[in-house]
Amino acid sequence: AQTVTQSQPEMSVQEAETVTLSCTYDTSESDYYLFWYKQPPSRQMILVIRQEAYKQQNATENRFSVNFQKAAKSFSLKISDSQLGDAAMYFCAYRSAYGSGLGKLTFGQGTILTVHP
Amino acid sequence: ETGVTQSPTHLIKTRGQQVTLRCSSQSGHNTVSWYQQALGQGPQFIFQYYREEENGRGNFPPRFSGLQFPNYSSELNVNALELDDSALYLCASSSSGSKSSYNEQFFGPGTRLTVL
Repeated sequence: AQTVTQSQPEMSVQEAETVTLSCTYDTSESDYYLFWYKQPPSRQMILVIRQEAYKQQNATENRFSVNFQKAAKSFSLKISDSQLGDAAMYFCAYRSAYGSGLGKLTFGQGTILTVHP
Repeated sequence: ETGVTQSPTHLIKTRGQQVTLRCSSQSGHNTVSWYQQALGQGPQFIFQYYREEENGRGNFPPRFSGLQFPNYSSELNVNALELDDSALYLCASSSSGSKSSYNEQFFGPGTRLTVL
């Protein structure tokens, strides 16, 4: 079974600064997908960025980028130029690319991000 | 195009009762997944429905059951409620067809269930 671990329960950053959220995972599969989701107090889970394991290039979406280290099974999220609206709970998630694992997301415990003005 | 909607928003039940939660998929989506999110925790996968059949299940007992209807909306039923069932229940819809199409899971706002 796959597991996802987020070792930082809480992180804080000053507005306009950069912050990195950590995530590690464990799997025996070679093909899979990794995601970062954001959950603000409104509870709506929003996809921030995704990475396909077979792609070596790190994904980037505007101010959000990842550092994907497949051998180390590490998948961190970097938020540049942090904004007040980035404050939320962030979840790292794993999805298999095979069989009955399709569609099932395995989430980490989450990291609460606080942005200070 | 409407997003994923869930009803009700909040629900209070007592131990031993039964509850039904509802989810309407995003337009064009034929797959629905349900998740349980305890307070301060990450969501846990309950099960997934594709074309009205269960298509994958997490580590949840049989008293958690579901349905998917021809219009792809879905219900989550929980029998014999226990205190530990208190949580936020999220549904997510997506469209099948290819491996990559499962990437886009769109979540609803959730139903907050409190069991007393």
